[in-house]
Amino acid sequence: QAVVTQEPSLTVSPGGTVTLTCGSSTGAVTSGHYPYWFQQKPGQAPRTLIYDTSNKHSWTPARFSGSLLGGKAALTLSGAQPEDEAEYYCLLSYSGALWVFGGGTKLTVL
Amino acid sequence: EVQLVQSGAEVKKPGESLRISCKASGYSFTTFWINWVRQMPGKGLEWMGRIDPSDSYTNYSPSFQGHVTISADKSIGTAYLQWSSLKASDTAMYYCARIDQLWGQGTMVTVSS
Repeated sequence: QAVVTQEPSLTVSPGGTVTLTCGSSTGAVTSGHYPYWFQQKPGQAPRTLIYDTSNKHSWTPARFSGSLLGGKAALTLSGAQPEDEAEYYCLLSYSGALWVFGGGTKLTVL
Repeated sequence: EVQLVQSGAEVKKPGESLRISCKASGYSFTTFWINWVRQMPGKGLEWMGRIDPSDSYTNYSPSFQGHVTISADKSIGTAYLQWSSLKASDTAMYYCARIDQLWGQGTMVTVSS
């Protein structure tokens, strides 16, 4: 089974910019993996931020953006806010029938 | 309101069976796959499998194939996750999700003798 890798932890200063990445053990991540990004805060259910690489929902703050970068999926946060401190997970599709989460990135805003 | 509402927390003994539910409302239940996701205490999210409610076609992660069964009743807009014989290692929070935009609140399952 494919392994999806994320940075275990990252720290960003308030107002700063940080990029979280999502790689695949099978090779480059492409749009065909339909990358998703989720935010989870302690004690809460996850929330979908980004779907199909770069699409946002109405509730997704404009400071979040999704892309493909250097063979990985990427979530960029520009202008970090204290409320962005959370765990972030990516999810990739493999041939449509198998989906695999990354291990998550704990983002600290400090 | 578009939502997924899951059944309440469960406490079971090893070897017991269990079925938890996920009721959809506010959208066409048969249009979107329902996924099940496990989160063990203090750990990350794990994709378990999914079901197409229109025909009950399922996909499972190899890690969960044969250990759980995913089903759905489209007449009442509800998806299910069930175990025939629980283990202590099944202790976790379980989420149903329309991963494109909608998550249930989670069902905590505790398996302990």
